[in-house]
Amino acid sequence: GAGVSQSPSNKVTEKGKDVELRCDPISGHTALYWYRQSLGQGLEFLIYFQGNSAPDKSGLPSDRFSAERTGGSVSTLTIQRTQQEDSAVYLCASSLWGSGLKETQYFGPGTRLLVL
Amino acid sequence: GDSVTQMEGPVTLSEEAFLTINCTYTATGYPSLFWYVQYPGEGLQLLLKATKADDKGSNKGFEATYRKETTSFHLEKGSVQVSDSAVYFCALSDPGANSKLTFGKGITLSVRP
Repeated sequence: GAGVSQSPSNKVTEKGKDVELRCDPISGHTALYWYRQSLGQGLEFLIYFQGNSAPDKSGLPSDRFSAERTGGSVSTLTIQRTQQEDSAVYLCASSLWGSGLKETQYFGPGTRLLVL
Repeated sequence: GDSVTQMEGPVTLSEEAFLTINCTYTATGYPSLFWYVQYPGEGLQLLLKATKADDKGSNKGFEATYRKETTSFHLEKGSVQVSDSAVYFCALSDPGANSKLTFGKGITLSVRP
């Protein structure tokens, strides 16, 4: 079946603009995670969804970052007033149930964001 | 909090050499342990995993054993190939912390013919 998909694959934006990144998880997966991969910080957790709820937003770096998930499926990560330090690869992953279980997370190809 | 420490890289080996990549962890709970691999130009792929002490994960000739007493999950392969050139990430998932992954910094492996 289809894996995790993300769009766009690449995004170039100007400092101060807002961007939206989209993630389509594997069908039937209730748990969805966003991570960020940057040169300076490595791979960092951003936010976790269980269904449409986000019980763990502890990794969001500032209030410019927000995310939502609708219909227990698609998720959108929004970065407002982008800064150059937001440049990174944003990765989405999904797993069947998430919290409390010893599952594998499956990753999408990522969105490479460059803020000029 | 949880953390994962990987050996510093990069690592360059000749084809058919033996590979060891060290990984140690700290966790408040009882985590699952993973090795993910990122081939050039591709996304993160699960290489292998282990969910409890003394479990051995294996895939594509790679192996790693969950050692609770030494809090380690070292990756090994007996004979590397050029196609193994990639970035390798050790990670843990703590079921008590929403199973989010905590990653090591990653190590770049280059295998020359």
